[in-house]
Amino acid sequence: AQSVTQLDSQVPVFEEAPVELRCNYSSSVSVYLFWYVQYPNQGLQLLLKYLSGSTLVKSINGFEAEFNKSQTSFHLRKPSVHISDTAEYFCAVSDSGGYQKVTFGTGTKLQVIP
Amino acid sequence: NAGVTQTPKFQVLKTGQSMTLQCAQDMNHNSMYWYRQDPGMGLRLIYYSASEGTTDKGEVPNGYNVSRLNKREFSLRLESAAPSQTSVYFCASSLTTSEAKNIQYFGAGTRLSVL
Repeated sequence: AQSVTQLDSQVPVFEEAPVELRCNYSSSVSVYLFWYVQYPNQGLQLLLKYLSGSTLVKSINGFEAEFNKSQTSFHLRKPSVHISDTAEYFCAVSDSGGYQKVTFGTGTKLQVIP
Repeated sequence: NAGVTQTPKFQVLKTGQSMTLQCAQDMNHNSMYWYRQDPGMGLRLIYYSASEGTTDKGEVPNGYNVSRLNKREFSLRLESAAPSQTSVYFCASSLTTSEAKNIQYFGAGTRLSVL
């Protein structure tokens, strides 16, 4: 069975400061890793993904995450946050063997303070 | 692009009442899912359907039934609503091919209160 742990339920950060949202996973097989973002009163949408190849993946709005196999982590970072980044962020893992199930973490609420 | 459409957006029920949450996708995805989202618990899978005509239980199926009506539509039914089913319900769909990698697309959610 696979699992995802997001260690922080809430992360307050001042505007233009850097942020890191932590994610650790557990799986006995090769995995795909995802970060989804949920803006208030909306559904989740894909922010970025690691499937294979380069361990550093980036989104179009400045977020990046690095797959670290030895530490089983996939932390999300942004060097300078904006008010518009206020949202809840979910880390997720999927078995790369083709099974349909995706396991989500419990989410981290990012609160950007003006 | 409509994507994944859920109806209704809001619903209030009394204990014991029944209702069906509707979900439709227009992306020709083979897999569809129902999740519930509760504070501090993230998303928990209720049921999923890997293809038209098949459904399987997820993590929290008790008290729910589903129907994969066709490739586009996947409904979730509460036969006798209980206060513990107060939650936000999300439908999602995905294409589970080696190219698509099971990236999930979500609807906007249904906010359900059971009194």
